[in-house]
Amino acid sequence: GIQVEQSPPDLILQEGANSTLRCNFSDSVNNLQWFHQNPWGQLINLFYIPSGTKQNGRLSATTVATERYSLLYISSSQTTDSGVYFCAVHNTDKLIFGTGTRLQVFP
Amino acid sequence: NAGVTQTPKFQVLKTGQSMTLQCAQDMNHEYMSWYRQDPGMGLRLIHYSVGAGITDQGEVPNGYNVSRSTTEDFPLRLLSAAPSQTSVYFCASSADGLTLHFGNGTRLTVT
Repeated sequence: GIQVEQSPPDLILQEGANSTLRCNFSDSVNNLQWFHQNPWGQLINLFYIPSGTKQNGRLSATTVATERYSLLYISSSQTTDSGVYFCAVHNTDKLIFGTGTRLQVFP
Repeated sequence: NAGVTQTPKFQVLKTGQSMTLQCAQDMNHEYMSWYRQDPGMGLRLIHYSVGAGITDQGEVPNGYNVSRSTTEDFPLRLLSAAPSQTSVYFCASSADGLTLHFGNGTRLTVT
């Protein structure tokens, strides 16, 4: 089946720093999403981005479907950005998740 | 607006016991799914449904049953719990199968 790999697995930042999270996938996909799981375990949909670039405040995402990767940019990070970031790709009817990037932002 | 509601929030079972994890959504979404989350492994799809009366298997379906008799409800049944089923379980729904709305999860421990 399709493989979804995320890097880095862990990231530690000081407040105010910028970061880039990467998601690679092994096959063509119908679409790709980014999720944030906060420290309380809640999963929030950040972006639905099958291709191109989208921005929402300090977060933006770019997917290059032909090269099978997506990037999530976090600018001016805040402590509330802490948690785990997952990318997930659609393969027919199924949404397949990567193993996530755990982000810790310290004041 | 409740969204996706999962019950219970926590559950402890003994090996061999059975139970049903409940999932209900009030958004009239056709697509519903169950995931399990284990440390270091992300979320893995157990079963999903594209509408009432239709279910299909995901990546890790063994040991779990589902049914979808109404649009609103998608219960997940463990017929004979095993320690390997200790995990956090998430239910999700979607109008189009693309943008998922997740419940808050059920933390299950099997001893």
